[in-house]
Amino acid sequence: QVQLVQSGAEEKKPGSSVRVSCKASGGSFSNDAISWVRQAPGQGLEWMGGIIPVFGTPNYAEKFQGRVTLTADRSTSTAYMELSSLRSDDTAVYYCARTITNYGMGLALSWFDPWGQGTLVIVTS
Amino acid sequence: DIQMAQSPSSLSASVGDRITISCRASQSISNFLNWYQQTPGKAPKLLISAASTLQSGVPSRFSGSGSGTDFTLTISSLQPEDFATYYCQQSSTIPLTFGGGTKVEIK
Repeated sequence: QVQLVQSGAEEKKPGSSVRVSCKASGGSFSNDAISWVRQAPGQGLEWMGGIIPVFGTPNYAEKFQGRVTLTADRSTSTAYMELSSLRSDDTAVYYCARTITNYGMGLALSWFDPWGQGTLVIVTS
Repeated sequence: DIQMAQSPSSLSASVGDRITISCRASQSISNFLNWYQQTPGKAPKLLISAASTLQSGVPSRFSGSGSGTDFTLTISSLQPEDFATYYCQQSSTIPLTFGGGTKVEIK
């Protein structure tokens, strides 16, 4: 049973960047995608983008285009999310989630299972 | 982008109650609708995929229905561990989008 284990909490200055890792434990990414979802304090869930490690090509939500970079290292079954030009409203818990579909490989027509435990990123001066 | 509207945003109920949460998509998404449960401080957990497919290990008191634009999550007899926030999510089209959530509280 694959589990996703994320890196620890981070505190960053405005304008800096943060990189969060997500390692598949007990298995590998296989042909599944990995999505990143964030949740600001007391708020709902927001999809940032996803990547299919076997292809390596990411797909980003327009809101984050130009600020987020998703990568994956198949040799270590680890996915990464880097967010740059951090602002105070980027303070949130960032989750990775395996993105599964019955329709081949992709992000659409899918569901998220399992999720990582979450990584709190605090942006403060 | 496809907008997902959940209602109500919160509800109060008692153990044993039957509750229904609605989710409406801004355009047809066929049955590409998933439901998640989130308890405070925890990651969301997948309950139902493809509108009505109950995930392994999820109690049968949970059920999902709907297609097109209107969907429903029903809990037939609310248990203490069910007090949580529930989210719907569409996967018909990129970007993948979530509803705003429904917080189920103890009456």
